[in-house]
Amino acid sequence: QVQLQESGPGLVKPSGTLSLTCAVSGGSISSSNWWSWVRQPPGKGLEWVGEIYHSGNTKYNPSLKSRVTISVDKSKKQFSLKLSSVTAADTAVYHCARNFYDGGAYSNGMDVWGQGTTVTVSS
Amino acid sequence: QSVVTQPPSASGTPGQRVTISCSGSNSNIGNNYVYWYQHLPGTAPKLLIYRSNQRPSGVPDRFSGSKSGTSASLAISGLRSEDEADYYCAAWDDSLSGWVFGGGTKLTVL
Repeated sequence: QVQLQESGPGLVKPSGTLSLTCAVSGGSISSSNWWSWVRQPPGKGLEWVGEIYHSGNTKYNPSLKSRVTISVDKSKKQFSLKLSSVTAADTAVYHCARNFYDGGAYSNGMDVWGQGTTVTVSS
Repeated sequence: QSVVTQPPSASGTPGQRVTISCSGSNSNIGNNYVYWYQHLPGTAPKLLIYRSNQRPSGVPDRFSGSKSGTSASLAISGLRSEDEADYYCAAWDDSLSGWVFGGGTKLTVL
């Protein structure tokens, strides 16, 4: 059973870079799925940040694209998020999730999620 | 503002049937599948419906999804107190080339 666990600093200074890692256990990161980041600012809804395939192909939220980098390390079975030039608006709970394709052309949904990690942007 | 719109709140009494709507456009709901997630703040979101009307194993058949044109709905029958949560719809948006979530609907069980 696939499990995901986020890790990273809980506090980032304004204008700095937010860096998070999601560890994948109980399954292969090289399966035919995409690996996503979704965030939830305080009092607001879910927002898709971006996702990556094990080949390194990426898709990003257009509103964040200039600041986001998602990478994958297959040897460590983990994928990572970097968000640069952060402001208070980037304060949120960040979840990683598996976007399950099961080898097909269409998503079967984000079916496995990490518990989330809170990142606060403050000096 | 999200490109996919949900009512901010919904409510019902135990045993009742409630529906939550999700409205979009041809670039998202109109041409793509809809997904529904249940979320209790502080926990991991849970996939309830995929490909507009399919339930993952383990999701009770009290939950059902439908789609018509550029709108979709989540129906919950036999409402229970544990259904009190936030519900989000999501779809791929061809114009944005990304996933979009609705703003979320807070369901209260009275």
